Amino acid sequence: KNEVEQSPQNLTAQEGEFITINCSYSVGISALHWLQQHPGGGIVSLFMLSSGKKKHGRLIATINIQEKHSSLHITASHPRDSAVYICAVRRRGNEKLTFGTGTRLTIIP
Amino acid sequence: SAVISQKPSRDICQRGTSLTIQCQVDSQVTMMFWYRQQPGQSLTLIATANQGSEATYESGFVIDKFPISRPNLTFSTLTVSNMSPEDSSIYLCSVEGRGLRDEQFFGPGTRLTVL
Repeated sequence: KNEVEQSPQNLTAQEGEFITINCSYSVGISALHWLQQHPGGGIVSLFMLSSGKKKHGRLIATINIQEKHSSLHITASHPRDSAVYICAVRRRGNEKLTFGTGTRLTIIP
Repeated sequence: SAVISQKPSRDICQRGTSLTIQCQVDSQVTMMFWYRQQPGQSLTLIATANQGSEATYESGFVIDKFPISRPNLTFSTLTVSNMSPEDSSIYLCSVEGRGLRDEQFFGPGTRLTVL
């Protein structure tokens, strides 16, 4: 079993829909990252979380440390949100990241 | 934040040749990492590039195949040596540290195709 699991693997939605992507992990962590990868391959860091909730524009990320679970929400989704969203965790005492396999999101106009 | 550039952005190479990928950061950083992302897969850490000393390689990756240089705190290179089609991947440089508040930033990636 992977240390970081994401669901769903693929998600297709209509423009305007509320999107939720989930990430569960099985190890103790110091931080969790949400990353966005566009078709060209480049990766953008969206959030780094160690507790609670963060919001940036239409994106919201939450984390529940006790349940070892994080969610990424996108409100009023738009076709430009189409990308692969990757969850990554930093294990406590280790500077390296462990990555989930990603969620491919497609927003249809 | 940190702005990272990589060269080349993409290349198509012949089997048996080598390619050197450059990573340049706009500020001094403590940690620089090189990742590989094979088609349809998630990121795999190749090595941590250490300034002034040899890189630290992850299990399954060796210096002869992936030599790394890090001459200063803003620059690193990764060479993919004696390439085979299995090396076709996106190679990403990533940085962390020195005022970046433990956040990790990624470069735009180098898309390598080996024929």
